[in-house]
Amino acid sequence: AQSVSQHNHHVILSEAASLELGCNYSYGGTVNLFWYVQYPGQHLQLLLKYFSGDPLVKGIKGFEAEFIKSKFSFNLRKPSVQWSDTAEYFCAVNAGSGGYNKLIFGAGTRLAVHP
Amino acid sequence: NAGVTQTPKFQVLKTGQSMTLQCAQDMNHNSMYWYRQDPGMGLRLIYYSASEGTTDKGEVPNGYNVSRLNKREFSLRLESAAPSQTSVYFCASRAAGLGRGEQYFGPGTRLTVT
Repeated sequence: AQSVSQHNHHVILSEAASLELGCNYSYGGTVNLFWYVQYPGQHLQLLLKYFSGDPLVKGIKGFEAEFIKSKFSFNLRKPSVQWSDTAEYFCAVNAGSGGYNKLIFGAGTRLAVHP
Repeated sequence: NAGVTQTPKFQVLKTGQSMTLQCAQDMNHNSMYWYRQDPGMGLRLIYYSASEGTTDKGEVPNGYNVSRLNKREFSLRLESAAPSQTSVYFCASRAAGLGRGEQYFGPGTRLTVT
């Protein structure tokens, strides 16, 4: 069965620090990959997505992610975080023929950014 | 264009009571989904509907039923609530074809079962 692992459950950073959140998935075929963000008290919003092509994907609010097929990874990065980036971040994968209908989510990483 | 809407926002039930969570989308999407979100477990798929008239079980369907009333609406029913169903429930929808896999989420329903 497909699965998604997020290595860090809680991350605490100071403003202007760099961010990298790890995400690994288990599936050997074609995948679509996503990062969603959930700000406190809000619903999930799409940060960025990868379907094909350039493995370095840029999203909203200065976030980017790199798809490394050989490592089954899709790590999220931001060079300089802001207090407003405090949120929970979820990696998700949509895999395989017939599986395009379903997303598998990781457990989430809760990010706290201190001023 | 409201996107995905859910009612109610909050609900408290006693064990054994029943209730229906409502979800509607105005984006003309074909697929709709129900997830539950529990601390440290991310989102887990309960049921989904790939198109009007079809429903399928997800990862954690036990204790739930769904109805795809029409293209816009997808409801989730708890027939006999249990404390283990205390969670935040999210509805999502997805357009078929382009943007495959990208889902749009509603604001959630926070359910407590005592």
